This record gives sequence, C-alpha cells and structure tokens, in this order.
Amino acid sequence: KQEVTQIPAALSVPEGENLVLNCSFTDSAIYNLQWFRQDPGKGLTSLLLIQSSQREQTSGRLNASLDKSSGRSTLYIAASQPGDSATYLCAVRRNNNDMRFGAGTRLTVKP
Amino acid sequence: ETGVTQTPRHLVMGMTNKKSLKCEQHLGHNAMYWYKQSAKKPLELMFVYNFKEQTENNSVPSRFSPECPNSSHLFLHLHTLQPEDSALYLCASSQDPYSATNEKLFFGSGTQLSVL
Repeated sequence: KQEVTQIPAALSVPEGENLVLNCSFTDSAIYNLQWFRQDPGKGLTSLLLIQSSQREQTSGRLNASLDKSSGRSTLYIAASQPGDSATYLCAVRRNNNDMRFGAGTRLTVKP
Repeated sequence: ETGVTQTPRHLVMGMTNKKSLKCEQHLGHNAMYWYKQSAKKPLELMFVYNFKEQTENNSVPSRFSPECPNSSHLFLHLHTLQPEDSALYLCASSQDPYSATNEKLFFGSGTQLSVL
C-alpha cells in the first residue's frame, strides 16, 4: 500500500528565505507526483506535476524534484513571500485512479 | 477560478436529514472525483467516475451515494450521516483518466459539511 509522508508538518520562515518542503513515498512504482497548494477552507490548486520519467519541474519561484528510486520529492520555494503562506500537499499516482495524498506541510511566511 | 464549481460552500445538517452536494466542471474533462478531507488527515478518495461510469468506490459507507448524470456534473447524496462525517468534501476533475500525462487534477473550493 502506498504511504505518503510530508515533513515537516508545519514550517514558519521569515520573508525572503529560501525553503524546501519534503515528500516521501513508500512505493516507487508511480506514474507521476503532483504538488498542490491549499488555502484555508479552500480547494487545492495544482502547482507542479512531475512525470515518473522526469527529474524536476519549474514554475516561477517553485522547483520540484523527483527521485523515484529513493521515494522522495522536494518542493523548493525561492525568495518566499507572505502570499506563499498556505498548506502544501504532495500526491503520488500509482495507476489511473489511485492517487495518494500526504497530510501536507502548513507554511507560514512572516513579513 | 479553476473551472470546477461546488455548491453549497457550507452545509449544516442533522443526522436525519437528506441533502445533496453538487459539482460542475466547465473544462471538458472526462473524469470526476469526490474526496473527503478531515481535520489533520490526508485527503481520502471516495468515488471516481470515468466517462460517467463509476470506476472506484473506496469502501465508502452507503449513506454516501454518488450520481453522475453526465461528464460535467457530479452529485453526492447524503442521508443519515454521523457527526464523524463532518469534513470538507472536495470535487475534482481531470481530462483523460487513461492518460498519465493528461490527468492533472483540478479541484473545486469544496463544501464544508457539519453534521450535528
């Protein structure tokens, strides 16, 4: 059974700092991995999707990496801003309908 | 705006009530999903519909009954719920459920359900 773990559960940083969020999964036979952002009481917004054949994806200040063999992914946020404060979730897809989510990392960026 | 709309945004119901959650997507997607998000727990997949056919029922109690009349609309009918069913219920859609490259999920804003 696929287990997805995100560490840390919560993170607080000062504005401008670069930071890394971690995601690990137990079954390396995945199709892809997706990082989402969730604001309080809201739905999820997809940030980056990495296919199993890829090593990383970039979008603006965000960079996500994937190491399938070790079952790890990181989300790097450069020059963090207060608007980045949210919960970040990773999800791995094993087959067409099996997508497993981590519990998320709650990020607070202080002005 | 993600193109996936859920109504209502908030719902309070008693254990004997019957209510329905609605989800509509304007993205031309072929797959729709119901997820449950409880406090401090990972998202749990409840149901999946591909091309209007239910392809996944993740051991969900029968007090939750999904309905997908067409590929743009998805309902979750609720009856005789329990207080532990209180959660954020999220709808999502994806373009092609059979393609690993075209199944980025788009989520609605969710319905916050409280069962008293």
